[in-house]
Amino acid sequence: GIQVEQSPPDLILQEGANSTLRCNFSDSVNNLQWFHQNPWGQLINLFYIPSGTKQNGRLSATTVATERYSLLYISSSQTTDSGVYFCAVSFGNEKLTFGTGTRLTIIP
Amino acid sequence: NAGVMQNPRHLVRRRGQEARLRCSPMKGHSHVYWYRQLPEEGLKFMVYLQKENIIDESGMPKERFSAEFPKEGPSILRIQQVVRGDSAAYFCASAQETQYFGPGTRLLVL
Repeated sequence: GIQVEQSPPDLILQEGANSTLRCNFSDSVNNLQWFHQNPWGQLINLFYIPSGTKQNGRLSATTVATERYSLLYISSSQTTDSGVYFCAVSFGNEKLTFGTGTRLTIIP
Repeated sequence: NAGVMQNPRHLVRRRGQEARLRCSPMKGHSHVYWYRQLPEEGLKFMVYLQKENIIDESGMPKERFSAEFPKEGPSILRIQQVVRGDSAAYFCASAQETQYFGPGTRLLVL
């Protein structure tokens, strides 16, 4: 099956800093989603981005499908950005394969 | 995320009891997926259902676990004779193109 790797596994930043999270996947996909799991365990959809670039406020994402990676950018971090960020991929209308996540901690 | 409903949000069971987890998909969505998240791990696929059909159950343990999505009513994930290793968060997602996740059910087996 598809392998999904995320880096870094952990990231600790001061409030206001910027960060880049990476997701590598092993095979062609036509669905890639980024999620934020907050400290209460809820999964929040951030982006549906099988290719190209999208922006939503302080967050943006880029997927280069031909090179099998995606990047999530967080600018001007806030403490509410803390949590685990997951990348998940699938091909067709199939099950999502999740990466192991990046745990982000924002220090005030 | 709003719209995918799961209940209960928390469930405590003793070893050997049954657990029933419910998921109501977003309005208009006919595809339901169940995932399990063990502590400190990512989500792992369990089963994919459409109304009255199991499409893919490749991630479902062979014993004690079953799932259904009837014509009327929510999707049900049923775990019989629970063991401590079943303690986890169980998430349901519904989809048209993008999968949207419910709040999850946290199952604790004592």
